[in-house]
Amino acid sequence: SQTIHQWPATLVQPVGSPLSLECTVEGTSNPNLYWYRQAAGRGLQLLFYSVGIGQISSEVPQNLSASRPQDRQFILSSKKLLLSDSGFYLCAQGLAGGHGKTQYFGPGTRLLVL
Amino acid sequence: AQTVTQSQPEMSVQEAETVTLSCTYDTSESNYYLFWYKQPPSRQMILVIRQEAYKQQNATENRFSVNFQKAAKSFSLKISDSQLGDTAMYFCAFMSLFGNEKLTFGTGTRLTIIP
Repeated sequence: SQTIHQWPATLVQPVGSPLSLECTVEGTSNPNLYWYRQAAGRGLQLLFYSVGIGQISSEVPQNLSASRPQDRQFILSSKKLLLSDSGFYLCAQGLAGGHGKTQYFGPGTRLLVL
Repeated sequence: AQTVTQSQPEMSVQEAETVTLSCTYDTSESNYYLFWYKQPPSRQMILVIRQEAYKQQNATENRFSVNFQKAAKSFSLKISDSQLGDTAMYFCAFMSLFGNEKLTFGTGTRLTIIP
């Protein structure tokens, strides 16, 4: 089974402050991991993906960065938050084999930048 | 680049009725995956159903089934015997089998089940 933890669940931060969102997954080793952002009332946009420890690819240029210090840990960071960073951030785990390349999502983090 | 279009921003249906949500996509690839995800008020994305493009048979999961028309690039979701718990945003998503296997999402359909 796929269990994905994200914390914090909700975060309110002032503009210019740093950010660290954490995602940890259970189950299969060496999963593909993804960070998505959902703006209010819209679909999800891929921000970063990782196929292994220390391997990060960025989909769009932005104020954010990602790291994967351990096999099942994926971190989203920022040195200085912008108002436009507000949104709902979802971590996903990609599984293959019998799951047929399916992505399963964590519960998400609501970020409000004021 | 792939695009996914959901042309119905909102829909509502009476409880126990059947409802169909539309999705079209654009791609030049011949093999890929298509998904429907449900996002209830909790906002967690929950997988509803998955279709592999090389399979001609339409996927089914209990009350949920799809009508996959590859030539027309159409992937609609049918919910039978709708329940109050089906109230949610529904997102159609496309996955390429090349590159990072990212999901490309449509803008969603807000479905309300009326008691």
